Amino acid sequence: AQTVTQSQPEMSVQEAETVTLSCTYDTSENNYYLFWYKQPPSRQMILVIRQEAYKQQNATENRFSVNFQKAAKSFSLKISDSQLGDTAMYFCAFGANQGAQKLVFGQGTRLTINP
Amino acid sequence: GAVVSQHPSWVICKSGTSVKIECRSLDFQATTMFWYRQFPKQSLMLMATSNEGSKATYEQGVEKDKFLINHASLTLSTLTVTSAHPEDSSFYICSASSVDRGSVNEQFFGPGTRLTVL
Repeated sequence: AQTVTQSQPEMSVQEAETVTLSCTYDTSENNYYLFWYKQPPSRQMILVIRQEAYKQQNATENRFSVNFQKAAKSFSLKISDSQLGDTAMYFCAFGANQGAQKLVFGQGTRLTINP
Repeated sequence: GAVVSQHPSWVICKSGTSVKIECRSLDFQATTMFWYRQFPKQSLMLMATSNEGSKATYEQGVEKDKFLINHASLTLSTLTVTSAHPEDSSFYICSASSVDRGSVNEQFFGPGTRLTVL
């Protein structure tokens, strides 16, 4: 069974700073997908970024980028030029490329951006 | 695109009654829908996976007779909490995925339903 671990329950940075959220996972699969979801106070889950395991290039979406280390089973999220609207819970998620298409979520990291 | 709605957004009911929560994919046909439960300050816990026209697959520890899931069409899934009790109070979130939308495994989430059982 796959597991996802986020070891930082809470983080806090100043606006405009860069912050990195950690995520590690455990799997015996070779083909899979990794996701970072954001859950703001509204509690609506929003996809931030996704990474296909077969791609060596790290995914980037504007201010958001990942550091995907497949051998180390690590998938960190970097937020550059952080904004107040980035304040939210962030969940790392793993999805196998076959089977029931379920996602396994980490425990979450509560990120606060301070003005 | 890829919008998922849930109704109601908030429901309060008396202990012993049943509550139905609807999840709809508004602009795509959902091959699979998922139901999650989220306690305050915790992660999402998958309750069940449902495919249109098939019986739902429940996760270990989830009572299928208490949490009835129906996936009657490619755009609608319902979760009925039967004989609700205060311990069933929680935030319920649905999501939907499609082979034609997004990447493999990508799920599109509804806004959630807050259930309070008195």
